[in-house]
Amino acid sequence: QVQLVQSGGEVKKPGAAVKVSCKASGYFFTTYAIHWVRQAAGQRLEWLGWINGGNGNTKYSQKFQGRVTFTRDTSASTAYMDLSILRSEDTAIYFCARGRYSNWTFDLWGQGSLVTVSS
Amino acid sequence: DIQMTQSPSSLSASMGDRVTITCRASQSIDNYLNWYQQKAGKAPNLLISGASTLQTGVPSRFSGSGSGTDFTLTIISLQPEDFAVYYCQQSYSLPLTFGGGTKVEIK
Repeated sequence: QVQLVQSGGEVKKPGAAVKVSCKASGYFFTTYAIHWVRQAAGQRLEWLGWINGGNGNTKYSQKFQGRVTFTRDTSASTAYMDLSILRSEDTAIYFCARGRYSNWTFDLWGQGSLVTVSS
Repeated sequence: DIQMTQSPSSLSASMGDRVTITCRASQSIDNYLNWYQQKAGKAPNLLISGASTLQTGVPSRFSGSGSGTDFTLTIISLQPEDFAVYYCQQSYSLPLTFGGGTKVEIK
């Protein structure tokens, strides 16, 4: 079955970091990119960036540059997102989404991981 | 960054109605426009890519049109499973950006 399965929800304190995983199955992991998109309550979807599943190259939205890091483990077909220096405004559902290299269209999504930042 | 503006932000419609949602880009994006459907508590699902290409498995009552800055998603004969939030997304340039969403509710 072609799917992306994400790690569970997390509760973090301001200033901490969070790591979310996204495990792919049913397709060749290295032939697609993985994008990260978040959705805060009542807000529009927001793109954080993407990682090339093959060579590991990354591209980050300038808004998150310096605070977010994408990595991947090809042997486990898993992508990871690290977000540091968390603030309350980072409370959101974080989605991973598969994208083709030829266009930035998200044809497969993970179920989402709720990250709550609260003191 | 390219700003994407959707209208309306919400609408009420009855089953069998024809529904039209518009999406406007702050600059020309050719046909690099995608539409997603999101149901409550779920991830978005790709409906249409390249402004008008229906994805496999998406019912033919959905259609997309437009190019440049103005785009439309049309649903003919609304079905119960179509009540959801719809988002447009430009895939023309980074950072990728989404519209604010249109919530389609039951009248």
